[in-house]
Amino acid sequence: GQNIDQPTEMTATEGAIVQINCTYQTSGFNGLFWYQQHAGEAPTFLSYNVLDGLEEKGRFSSFLSRSKGYSYLLLKELQMKDSASYLCAVRDGSYIPTFGRGTSLIVHP
Amino acid sequence: IAGITQAPTSQILAAGRRMTLRCTQDMRHNAMYWYRQDLGLGLRLIHYSNTAGTTGKGEVPDGYSVSRANTDDFPLTLASAVPSQTSVYFCASSDSDFNEQFFGPGTRLTVL
Repeated sequence: GQNIDQPTEMTATEGAIVQINCTYQTSGFNGLFWYQQHAGEAPTFLSYNVLDGLEEKGRFSSFLSRSKGYSYLLLKELQMKDSASYLCAVRDGSYIPTFGRGTSLIVHP
Repeated sequence: IAGITQAPTSQILAAGRRMTLRCTQDMRHNAMYWYRQDLGLGLRLIHYSNTAGTTGKGEVPDGYSVSRANTDDFPLTLASAVPSQTSVYFCASSDSDFNEQFFGPGTRLTVL
């Protein structure tokens, strides 16, 4: 099985930078995903990492360290619309992704 | 149709009734998935299908069944609904050549 941990809730100020961590233990590894989910809506894809290092996409970046079983999602220049849940998902040897419980991010003025 | 659709949007169901949640995608994706999402528990996989004609069990399959007769459709059936199946159900699909999952809008199911 898999064990995926991420903080339950985080708060940050508009315009700031926030880092959401995800740690995992899995048998076999075939990629880590980050999704964004606004309240009452479906998750939408943000990023994918399969090799170690940083992937940057606009205001969002995602980092992976396979040896440490660790990833983070970095959100820069926070906007009010970034208030959402952020889901970490790990794909194991079976290529089936398993989701963590999600981190609820609250951005305040 | 654009993307992935689910029906119904919401449903209130009496315990013991049979219910089928529908999911259709027009992206010709090979893989399809059913998740349930409960407060504090995140998305949990119920069943999946890697390609038409094959299905597999996820983390929480008990009380649910699926079929994959063709590429586009992946219905989820609750044979005899129980209150613990009250949840939001998301269908998703992904292509073997791509990595991301595309999610449907969800079905909010209440079992009384």
